[in-house]
Amino acid sequence: GIQVEQSPPDLILQEGANSTLRCNFSDSVNNLQWFHQNPWGQLINLFYIPSGTKQNGRLSATTVATERYSLLYISSSQTTDSGVYFCAVEPIKAAGNKLTFGGGTRVLVKP
Amino acid sequence: DGGITQSPKYLFRKEGQNVTLSCEQNLNHDAMYWYRQDPGQGLRLIYYSQIVNDFQKGDIAEGYSVSREKKESFPLTVTSAQKNPTAFYLCASSIGGTGRYGYTFGSGTRLTVV
Repeated sequence: GIQVEQSPPDLILQEGANSTLRCNFSDSVNNLQWFHQNPWGQLINLFYIPSGTKQNGRLSATTVATERYSLLYISSSQTTDSGVYFCAVEPIKAAGNKLTFGGGTRVLVKP
Repeated sequence: DGGITQSPKYLFRKEGQNVTLSCEQNLNHDAMYWYRQDPGQGLRLIYYSQIVNDFQKGDIAEGYSVSREKKESFPLTVTSAQKNPTAFYLCASSIGGTGRYGYTFGSGTRLTVV
């Protein structure tokens, strides 16, 4: 099946810093989503971005489908940005609308 | 408010017992999913259903069973055949089709074997 690798696995930031999270995937996809999991386990959908660039406040994401990677940018980080960020993809070849998740990037923003 | 409700939040199971985790949604979504998350890991798909009375196995279906008798409900049973059931279980739903509208997740159930 498709492989999804996220880097770095862990990230410690000082409040106000910027950062970039990366997601590499091993096959062509027609669906790519970024999620944030808060410390209590709740997962929130951040972006649906199989290609191109999107921005939502301090967060933005870019997917270069031809090169099989996606980037999530966090600008002016805040302590509330702490948690785990997951990239999830659906390969074009797959049957059914189901996502394969990467291992996540654990982010800690210190005040 | 529309959303997904998972219950209970915490569940303790004795060795050899079957337990059922509830997942209910009022979003009118066609597709529903069950994922398992182990500490420090990503999510792995257990089962998914795209329409009522139909469901498919995911990557780690062994030791689990599901039903989809109503659009709103997708309960997961963890059977005694699942040898390592302690984990965080997440239910999700989507409109279906291409998934372009994204997934909505419930708040999860933490299952512990005692």
